[in-house]
Amino acid sequence: GQQVMQIPQYQHVQEGEDFTTYCNSSTTLSNIQWYKQRPGGHPVFLIQLVKSGEVKKQKRLTFQFGEAKKNSSLHITATQTTDVGTYFCAGWTGTASKLTFGTGTRLQVTL
Amino acid sequence: SAVISQKPSRDICQRGTSLTIQCQVDSQVTMMFWYRQQPGQSLTLIATANQGSEATYESGFVIDKFPISRPNLTFSTLTVSNMSPEDSSIYLCSAIELRKYTQYFGPGTRLTVL
Repeated sequence: GQQVMQIPQYQHVQEGEDFTTYCNSSTTLSNIQWYKQRPGGHPVFLIQLVKSGEVKKQKRLTFQFGEAKKNSSLHITATQTTDVGTYFCAGWTGTASKLTFGTGTRLQVTL
Repeated sequence: SAVISQKPSRDICQRGTSLTIQCQVDSQVTMMFWYRQQPGQSLTLIATANQGSEATYESGFVIDKFPISRPNLTFSTLTVSNMSPEDSSIYLCSAIELRKYTQYFGPGTRLTVL
């Protein structure tokens, strides 16, 4: 079945440093979505990417969808303590009619 | 965006009993899903809740253990039957808004089975 892997599994950065998480799918995706889950919270939708090579920005967050629509990345510039949480990518394939979640990257930010 | 509520938010149950979790969405949605998430882990899809018909279960999940209902477009229930400590987890309801592919999540139900 479809698998979606993320690396790294965990990253600890100092506030102000940049952070990137990478997402790789075993199959081509119709679209990819990114979620943030704070400790003790539920996944919160961040963004959806649909087009091959698409890049979207939300303030300090930059999201990219690969040309082959099998990988994606999330980059955070100048992290803040409010960025702490686990970031999940989730791929949607039309044939499966469901989201397959990545393994997640837990981000810890310290002062 | 759709707002999803779940109840109960948490419960502590005895082995062998059953718990029904309710999920309500404040707008019409096309698809509804139930997920399970163990601490520190990713989300595992249990099933897709189909309106007016039997849910579609993922590998490893069966209807006898996790019966699901979806009587209308905005409401669904998940029952965790004959519980054991291994069922302790967070159960999340999720939905996709009509004419969109964005998937939203409820706040989750934290279940502890003793």
